[in-house]
Amino acid sequence: SQTIHQWPATLVQPVGSPLSLECTVEGTSNPNLYWYRQAAGRGLQLLFYSVGIGQISSEVPQNLSASRPQDRQFILSSKKLLLSDSGFYLCAWSVSSGGADTQYFGPGTRLTVL
Amino acid sequence: AQSVSQHNHHVILSEAASLELGCNYSYGGTVNLFWYVQYPGQHLQLLLKYFSGDPLVKGIKGFEAEFIKSKFSFNLRKPSVQWSDTAEYFCAVKGSGNTPLVFGKGTRLSVIA
Repeated sequence: SQTIHQWPATLVQPVGSPLSLECTVEGTSNPNLYWYRQAAGRGLQLLFYSVGIGQISSEVPQNLSASRPQDRQFILSSKKLLLSDSGFYLCAWSVSSGGADTQYFGPGTRLTVL
Repeated sequence: AQSVSQHNHHVILSEAASLELGCNYSYGGTVNLFWYVQYPGQHLQLLLKYFSGDPLVKGIKGFEAEFIKSKFSFNLRKPSVQWSDTAEYFCAVKGSGNTPLVFGKGTRLSVIA
């Protein structure tokens, strides 16, 4: 069966510091991968998605970037964190099935920028 | 652009009460519809989904949802809630092709004894 891992689970970083959040998927090949940010009372906001290695699409201009160095690895990064980057970051995966694909979510990373 | 509205921000019910959470979307074409649930301290889980066929979809834990195309709605229902149903519920919609999955803002359900 497929599983999705995210780490770290929680992170406290000072403003201006770099960021690297990692997401890995097991048990499937060539998944679509997604990064979301969840804010209280605002639902989930799609940040990036990737349909393959090295292919990244950005949905919202951010102080963030994403990379996919391996088929089942998706990394969210920032060179300099802002206070507004605090939030709950979720990674998700899906496998395309004629457009009817279902996304499955990881446990998330709680990021606090001080 | 697609949008999803969940009109109830917070719903409080007593155990055994019936539940209906509203979800309306705006999208003119074919849609795939989802309800996700996030229990306290847990990650987002798929509750049920609709792709095609019978518009009444049954999910896990006794939940069901009905797709009413004419009303652009996909309301979630459960005849009798339990304390363990306390969670946040998210409706999500995906249009055809390479369109993103769009989430509503969520409805927090609190079930009291």
